[in-house]
Amino acid sequence: EDKVVQSPLSLVVHEGDTVTLNCSYEVTNFRSLLWYKQEKKAPTFLFMLTSSGIEKKSGRLSSILDKKELFSILNITATQTGDSAVYLCASFPNTDKLIFGTGTRLQVFP
Amino acid sequence: DTEVTQTPKHLVMGMTNKKSLKCEQHMGHRAMYWYKQKAKKPPELMFVYSYEKLSINESVPSRFSPECPNSSLLNLHLHALQPEDSALYLCASSQEAVYEQYFGPGTRLTVT
Repeated sequence: EDKVVQSPLSLVVHEGDTVTLNCSYEVTNFRSLLWYKQEKKAPTFLFMLTSSGIEKKSGRLSSILDKKELFSILNITATQTGDSAVYLCASFPNTDKLIFGTGTRLQVFP
Repeated sequence: DTEVTQTPKHLVMGMTNKKSLKCEQHMGHRAMYWYKQKAKKPPELMFVYSYEKLSINESVPSRFSPECPNSSLLNLHLHALQPEDSALYLCASSQEAVYEQYFGPGTRLTVT
């Protein structure tokens, strides 16, 4: 059965800290891995990763994929209170169905 | 512009009502999705439309009926829902079925 597992389930940090969120996957005929940020409503797309070892960056956020070890990490540097959200990892197997992990809830306190 | 719009934002309906949720995108995307999300859970796929044809139905009860009138619009018709169907209903679209998906703000549905 295809699955995506995220850790930790929740994380509490102070502003300015750096955090690393983990995502491991077991999917049939892996095609890509995606990261989303969800605050109160809709998930917002962050990154899509298809190749191992190539870091994707957007401001203070970055992500990398390891297709040999079947995992990805999402790094957030110099965290701000606005980074507080649930971060969802998802993967495409050989179907059109995106498989989501349960998410990591990040809380950033001033 | 990566905007997906959904109406209404909130909906309260009784178990005998019929209502519809609407979703629209103008990004030229050819795949559109309905998801259901309960509190503290990830989105759960309901339906996938690819090139206006239903390609995935995740064994959703028939009281939920999707419709894709054209490539920009997606509807979800609701009839005889149960209280456990109360949830956030999210629409998403993508360029094609295996590309990144962009989500709308959702409709918060309460069934009384």
